Amino acid sequence: KAGVTQTPRYLIKTRGQQVTLSCSPISGHRSVSWYQQTPGQGLQFLFEYFSETQRNKGNFPGRFSGRQFSNSRSEMNVSTLELGDSALYLCASSSTGEGNQPQHFGDGTRLSIL
Amino acid sequence: QKEVEQNSGPLSVPEGAIASLNCTYSDRGSQSFFWYRQYSGKSPELIMFIYSNGDKEDGRFTAQLNKASQYVSLLIRDSQPSDSATYLCAQNTGFQKLVFGTGTRLLVSP
Repeated sequence: KAGVTQTPRYLIKTRGQQVTLSCSPISGHRSVSWYQQTPGQGLQFLFEYFSETQRNKGNFPGRFSGRQFSNSRSEMNVSTLELGDSALYLCASSSTGEGNQPQHFGDGTRLSIL
Repeated sequence: QKEVEQNSGPLSVPEGAIASLNCTYSDRGSQSFFWYRQYSGKSPELIMFIYSNGDKEDGRFTAQLNKASQYVSLLIRDSQPSDSATYLCAQNTGFQKLVFGTGTRLLVSP
């Protein structure tokens, strides 16, 4: 069974640009969550989608947005990039989206802002 | 502010010993806890999850949950150098929002 697939693996952007990251969950999984990992702040929750609906959102500015498609694939977008957005962005999927279902992470997208 | 706290380490143990990793949490509302292992430059890998008070064993790993003390732990028996990694404790606080601790770095020496 294929795992969570994130594309691209690496991205280099400049300040002010925007970026779109993609995530394909494990087959049959309907919940997709996004996290940001930085050395200073650790792993922080961005948002979660289930059946194309955002059910939960972390404490990030509105520049961070996402969506989920009918096939459960998800994208996140960051607009007006800032230097501080340099991070590893991780996507995780779970089967039913219930709290006791473990989340499985993809390999991440490493975003560097110049 | 819902928090999950871990000692950053490093925790150093010799090969073959038991490594004990600990985590405390402040939010009593959710009782779903997860342990992830993260090697340098890699993404987190699920090791164990526990929802009920008590112990849960899987191979060399045992997760322990003490709701009264708001305490979660992970024991690794017969530690191997390949177990050297950062171990992340996480609590699901609702709608798949995982709140992570800062992680404990484990070093297993041959």
